[in-house]
Amino acid sequence: ILNVEQSPQSLHVQEGDSTNFTCSFPSSNFYALHWYRWETAKSPEALFVMTLNGDEKKKGRISATLNTKEGYSYLYIKGSQPEDSATYLCAFPYRAGNMLTFGGGTRLMVKP
Amino acid sequence: DSGVTQTPKHLITATGQRVTLRCSPRSGDLSVYWYQQSLDQGLQFLIQYYNGEERAKGNILERFSAQQFPDLHSELNLSSLELGDSALYFCASSASPLTSGIADTQYFGPGTRLTVL
Repeated sequence: ILNVEQSPQSLHVQEGDSTNFTCSFPSSNFYALHWYRWETAKSPEALFVMTLNGDEKKKGRISATLNTKEGYSYLYIKGSQPEDSATYLCAFPYRAGNMLTFGGGTRLMVKP
Repeated sequence: DSGVTQTPKHLITATGQRVTLRCSPRSGDLSVYWYQQSLDQGLQFLIQYYNGEERAKGNILERFSAQQFPDLHSELNLSSLELGDSALYFCASSASPLTSGIADTQYFGPGTRLTVL
């Protein structure tokens, strides 16, 4: 069973604050790391798929970095907005079949 | 809108009953995945199909089964339902489960919320 951990579990920030959270995963047999954004009452929305050590991806104000040797990825949100409020999930593919093991998520709440 | 559709949106049924959840993948996607989100658990992988064949199984109960049809839509059958089966069931699709598929984005449908009374 893979252990994919996310921290913190929840985070309250003010509009305009920048924030970041962590996903830890097994560093052996690394295939890829997926980040998803999940708003209440909607379905998880893919943000990034990261495959290479040192990878950096960016989508608007959201960016992510990857360290496969030490087994972690950071997700950054610059200048948080209320519409960024969501649960951010990371997922690690288990075996070549691409079955995803999800972390517990970080629930971000941005206050106006 | 991810392009993945699921029906029904909501389903309320009684213990002991059997239900079928339906998923249509994005156009062109050959892989379908089923996930379960229970109240006290994160998203859990159930089963994966690729082009009609089962490819991977997670912690899927024996009371649950799935199939993928020639038109690539998939159905998840849940039988002898128990209260603990109440959950949100998501279907996702991706292009391919092959080696390169490990980095394939999985696109999630809107989910079916199952309530077992």
